[in-house]
Amino acid sequence: GAGVSQSPRYKVTKRGQDVALRCDPISGHVSLYWYRQALGQGPEFLTYFNYEAQQDKSGLPNDRFSAERPEGSISTLTIQRTEQRDSAMYRCASSPVGAGELFFGEGSRLTVL
Amino acid sequence: SQQGEEDPQALSIQEGENATMNCSYKTSINNLQWYRQNSGRGLVHLILIRSNEREKHSGRLRVTLDTSKKSSSLLITASRAADTASYFCATDSGGSYIPTFGRGTSLIVHP
Repeated sequence: GAGVSQSPRYKVTKRGQDVALRCDPISGHVSLYWYRQALGQGPEFLTYFNYEAQQDKSGLPNDRFSAERPEGSISTLTIQRTEQRDSAMYRCASSPVGAGELFFGEGSRLTVL
Repeated sequence: SQQGEEDPQALSIQEGENATMNCSYKTSINNLQWYRQNSGRGLVHLILIRSNEREKHSGRLRVTLDTSKKSSSLLITASRAADTASYFCATDSGGSYIPTFGRGTSLIVHP
């Protein structure tokens, strides 16, 4: 399809395991954003890229979280040594340019047991 | 941290009525956007209004921006049951191209 694709849609993991969440943005979109959304809350910014360059990672909670977009297209958000508090919906969005309309994927729901 | 705050937190109306939601923010902005989210699904962009604009329309949606009061409102006219969703405002400011979202307004439209 032509939309933003995220995988896996659901991930259940045990505490201490590493997880990788993937985002495939709309073709040609320059900017790619990662957000985290708790139930009943708005999306909380994590990090964003223009092309392959990570422009801002100030929202990443700690150094267990990292993200990359090596070829300026697909991005991976990696959480190492997961903890129960990492459980949330992780949302990816892409945009043709910065500060414009965001196109969101359906999200990846992470549950850490 | 969340820049925008939507008000009310929840709104329940009958089909055919108008729904008004407000967003207040703290610092000067470049742009303000409104998004809709159905039942935990992905957010869908509704309208973007720039800081030098005062009003924009899109179908049954009307957005106003008052930069002196640091507030925006979203009006949905002649609401439908399908408008039931959460509505979020998002602002970006300064040199940042990072839309920052509020907590949202939950709208229920009763058929």
